Amino acid sequence: SQQGEEDPQALSIQEGENATMNCSYKTSINNLQWYRQNSGRGLVHLILIRSNEREKHSGRLRVTLDTSKKSSSLLITASRAADTASYFCATDASGGSYIPTFGRGTSLIVHP
Amino acid sequence: DTEVTQTPKHLVMGMTNKKSLKCEQHMGHRAMYWYKQKAKKPPELMFVYSYEKLSINESVPSRFSPECPNSSLLNLHLHALQPEDSALYLCASSHPGGEGKTQYFGPGTRLLVL
Repeated sequence: SQQGEEDPQALSIQEGENATMNCSYKTSINNLQWYRQNSGRGLVHLILIRSNEREKHSGRLRVTLDTSKKSSSLLITASRAADTASYFCATDASGGSYIPTFGRGTSLIVHP
Repeated sequence: DTEVTQTPKHLVMGMTNKKSLKCEQHMGHRAMYWYKQKAKKPPELMFVYSYEKLSINESVPSRFSPECPNSSLLNLHLHALQPEDSALYLCASSHPGGEGKTQYFGPGTRLLVL
């Protein structure tokens, strides 16, 4: 299965701290995406990083990709209570159908 | 307009009922998806429509029947469901084919089967 594995499964921090989530996958990919899901709601796309990129930034988000280790990390800096959500990585495999496959997700709680 | 809408937001149905979930987008996306999501689990792909044709059916039981009447609408017809089908059903859309397809998700329909 190409499904990504997020680590940790749950993360609890104080407002203002940084949050780091990791995603590992099994086969070569075209790109990797991160999504956020607020409780019981739809997923919101955060950022896409292509297989030939190593780092991308978007506001308080920083994503890295290490294709040699088949892993990615999502860093949220200066977290806010509103960042409380589940975060999923999604990969689509090289030579595949380009349909993202979601990992298990990391549940982030940011305490005010 | 970057919104995917889904109706209803909540649905309670008995095992003998027939109901339908609806999804709509006006972003010009020609790929639309149905996902099922159980609590604390990732979304599981059910169906993919590309240019209004069913392109992927992930071995979903026949009690779930998708329909794509036009490029903006996607339905999921439900019949004789089981309690284990209770879940959040998510619709998504994207541009079809190629790399880096960002999916836009609707808010979901919370389904409870009694």
